[in-house]
Amino acid sequence: GENVEQHPSTLSVQEGDSAVIKCTYSDSASNYFPWYKQELGKGPQLIIDIRSNVGEKKDQRIAVTLNKTAKHFSLHITETQPEDSAVYFCAASGGYGGSQGNLIFGKGTKLSVKP
Amino acid sequence: AAGVIQSPRHLIKEKRETATLKCYPIPRHDTVYWYQQGPGQDPQFLISFYEKMQSDKGSIPDRFSAQQFSDYHSELNMSSLELGDSALYFCASSLGPMNTEAFFGQGTRLTVV
Repeated sequence: GENVEQHPSTLSVQEGDSAVIKCTYSDSASNYFPWYKQELGKGPQLIIDIRSNVGEKKDQRIAVTLNKTAKHFSLHITETQPEDSAVYFCAASGGYGGSQGNLIFGKGTKLSVKP
Repeated sequence: AAGVIQSPRHLIKEKRETATLKCYPIPRHDTVYWYQQGPGQDPQFLISFYEKMQSDKGSIPDRFSAQQFSDYHSELNMSSLELGDSALYFCASSLGPMNTEAFFGQGTRLTVV
């Protein structure tokens, strides 16, 4: 089945700096890659997603890139703000083995933005 | 905009008791997913339903069962609870089962004592 690796597990940046979180996946058939932000005690919040027919997608300060050949995708946050502090999860779905719609998550990255 | 509603938000049960968690998807969403998240862990897929039929099954224990009703809400039934079942349980919903945006509820925190 699908396996998603996420790095780093923790990331600390100064306010205004950029943050990059990287994920790799194992199932070449996976074709949908969302990113979720989870604040303490809350449910995961979808912040951006990308499908396998697209290489890059941007929404204001956040962007995601996908390299299908390398089975690698990344989240980029620019001009970070303290309210960006949270745990970020990457996920993949659409691969073989029954994971048609359900998400396989990475282990998460705890992002801390220092004022 | 309406979001996924889960109830109860918190639940405390004793070992060997049963629990029922409820999920009300976003209006017009026909697909529901259940996930379990332990402390400091990533969400683990349990089971999903599309148009009231089970569409996929993950690491759901045999002690747990779930269903989706005619109004698309879903219930997760958990029996013979164990200490290890203590976790956050999230429901997510989407429009269609194939790689569409899934939106999560705020979760039910289950504590088994």
